[in-house]
Amino acid sequence: KQEVTQIPAALSVPEGENLVLNCSFTDSAIYNLQWFRQDPGKGLTSLLLIQSSQREQTSGRLNASLDKSSGRSTLYIAASQPGDSATYLCAVSYNQGGKLIFGQGTELSVKP
Amino acid sequence: DTEVTQTPKHLVMGMTNKKSLKCEQHMGHRAMYWYKQKAKKPPELMFVYSYEKLSINESVPSRFSPECPNSSLLNLHLHALQPEDSALYLCASSQENVPYGYTFGSGTRLTVV
Repeated sequence: KQEVTQIPAALSVPEGENLVLNCSFTDSAIYNLQWFRQDPGKGLTSLLLIQSSQREQTSGRLNASLDKSSGRSTLYIAASQPGDSATYLCAVSYNQGGKLIFGQGTELSVKP
Repeated sequence: DTEVTQTPKHLVMGMTNKKSLKCEQHMGHRAMYWYKQKAKKPPELMFVYSYEKLSINESVPSRFSPECPNSSLLNLHLHALQPEDSALYLCASSQENVPYGYTFGSGTRLTVV
């Protein structure tokens, strides 16, 4: 069964800390992996997309890595800010135009 | 235009009502999706349209009826819903045969009373 797991489920850090969110997937034959941010009651905002042939992607203070062989991805957030507080979702797809399989999310709180 | 637009943002309906959710994108994406999200849970796939044809139905009850009138529009027709159908309904789109990601709309918050 294709499953995605995210740990931790919740994380609270003081402002300015660097942090890592983890995502693991059971079937390593992924097509791509995408990290999303979701604010309460809102839609999903795409943060980073990593294709299966790539090892990492960077955007501003965010860096996502992918290790297909071990079935893992990490999202690194540098110098966290209160505005980073949200739920972060990892999702994998196994073909283009198909189903996204989501993890349960990590709820991040950055305290001023 | 790099957006997926969903209307309405909020909807309250009775169990005997008929209503529709709308989704629109002008990015030329040929795959469009409906997801359902309950509180504190990840989104769950309901339907996938590829080139305006229904390609995936995740065993969704018939009280939910999707429609794709053209390549830019996706509707979800609702009839005789139950209170447990209250959720955030998200529309998404993606490009076919190109490894770009998925773009989500801001969702419709549906409450069934």
